[in-house]
Amino acid sequence: KAGVTQTPRYLIKTRGQQVTLSCSPISGHRSVSWYQQTPGQGLQFLFEYFSETQRNKGNFPGRFSGRQFSNSRSEMNVSTLELGDSALYLCASSLAGPGNTEAFFGQGTRLTVV
Amino acid sequence: TQLLEQSPQFLSIQEGENLTVYCNSSSVFSSLQWYRQEPGEGPVLLVTVVTGGEVKKLKRLTFQFGDARKDSSLHITAAQPGDTGLYLCSVPGSGNTGKLIFGQGTTLQVKP
Repeated sequence: KAGVTQTPRYLIKTRGQQVTLSCSPISGHRSVSWYQQTPGQGLQFLFEYFSETQRNKGNFPGRFSGRQFSNSRSEMNVSTLELGDSALYLCASSLAGPGNTEAFFGQGTRLTVV
Repeated sequence: TQLLEQSPQFLSIQEGENLTVYCNSSSVFSSLQWYRQEPGEGPVLLVTVVTGGEVKKLKRLTFQFGDARKDSSLHITAAQPGDTGLYLCSVPGSGNTGKLIFGQGTTLQVKP
């Protein structure tokens, strides 16, 4: 079956701009989580969506937002970009039922803010 | 303070050597996972351990969950260049959600 697809793979934006990243989960997976990965902080949880509802949120400012559509595809948006937002943004999909935490990651979107 | 402390942070060894990386915490977990991430890719799940004292083997990789379910180790026998990558341990966040909490990772380089 097809894996998790993230688009675009690479993105260069200017400070102050906004950006939207997309994630298509594995068919049948209703949970989509987003993570930010940087050399200094490692993998940090941004938020999780399940059945179009945000079910969990990490400690990131309100400039980071997301949504999930009825087909489970998800988008995350970052507004008013800062240099520190440069990172690899990873999306993971899972069944996320009780006792099942296996996550399948996409290849990520490499965002560079200049 | 990191919930999960991984050590060492970096490891550079020659092909054929053995190595062990550790994932430690003061908290008790229902389960723990190990992922490997190669450059330019997302993490890929290697194993999930759920029982204290559990040992799982995946070819040359041996994973152990501590008796108290607070720590874990990953041992690689006769490392190969294809083992190069970032090794991450993770635990579930609170509640039955998809949230995972990751350690900082161990970067392994295996030189031919």
